[in-house]
Amino acid sequence: AQTVTQSQPEMSVQEAETVTLSCTYDTSESDYYLFWYKQPPSRQMILVIRQEAYKQQNATENRFSVNFQKAAKSFSLKISDSQLGDAAMYFCAYRSAPYNNNDMRFGAGTRLTVKP
Amino acid sequence: NAGVTQTPKFRILKIGQSMTLQCTQDMNHNYMYWYRQDPGMGLKLIYYSVGAGITDKGEVPNGYNVSRSTTEDFPLRLELAAPSQTSVYFCASSRRAQNTEAFFGQGTRLTVV
Repeated sequence: AQTVTQSQPEMSVQEAETVTLSCTYDTSESDYYLFWYKQPPSRQMILVIRQEAYKQQNATENRFSVNFQKAAKSFSLKISDSQLGDAAMYFCAYRSAPYNNNDMRFGAGTRLTVKP
Repeated sequence: NAGVTQTPKFRILKIGQSMTLQCTQDMNHNYMYWYRQDPGMGLKLIYYSVGAGITDKGEVPNGYNVSRSTTEDFPLRLELAAPSQTSVYFCASSRRAQNTEAFFGQGTRLTVV
């Protein structure tokens, strides 16, 4: 089964600075999608960004970008110009292809603190 | 548009009691999932369903049962509750397409005492 590992339980960043959250995954599949979700104290899960495994180009959404290294099975999230509202738990997620169950697995999460 | 609705939001159970966590979605999604999130931890997949009448075990299915009689509803049944089942439970749904994200309910905080 696929596993997702987030090795940083907690991270801290100064407001307006840049921070990178790490994620690695283990899979034998070649076709999959990767996601980063944000969970603020409200518990609501919010999609931040997604990446197709077959695309070499790294996804970008405004201040959020990823560094996708398929061979290394690494999928890090970079947050630029950090804002107080970015403080939350961040989860990396892996989704298999529909012909491989299509289930979605999550990492243990990284708690991000933003200091004013 | 309600999205994914979970009930109840909070519940306290005594050891050995049973209960059903309700989940319904109004987005006509084929896929539905149940996760549990222990304090400070990530989400563990309990069960998932790819359509009405089809369910599959996830990472931590023991102690739980599910059914999927309609596209909209995916209830999670806890039989003989144990303290180890104290957690926050999330229901989620998604379209079949792999590139689509999952939409989550607000969660149910369950305490077994």
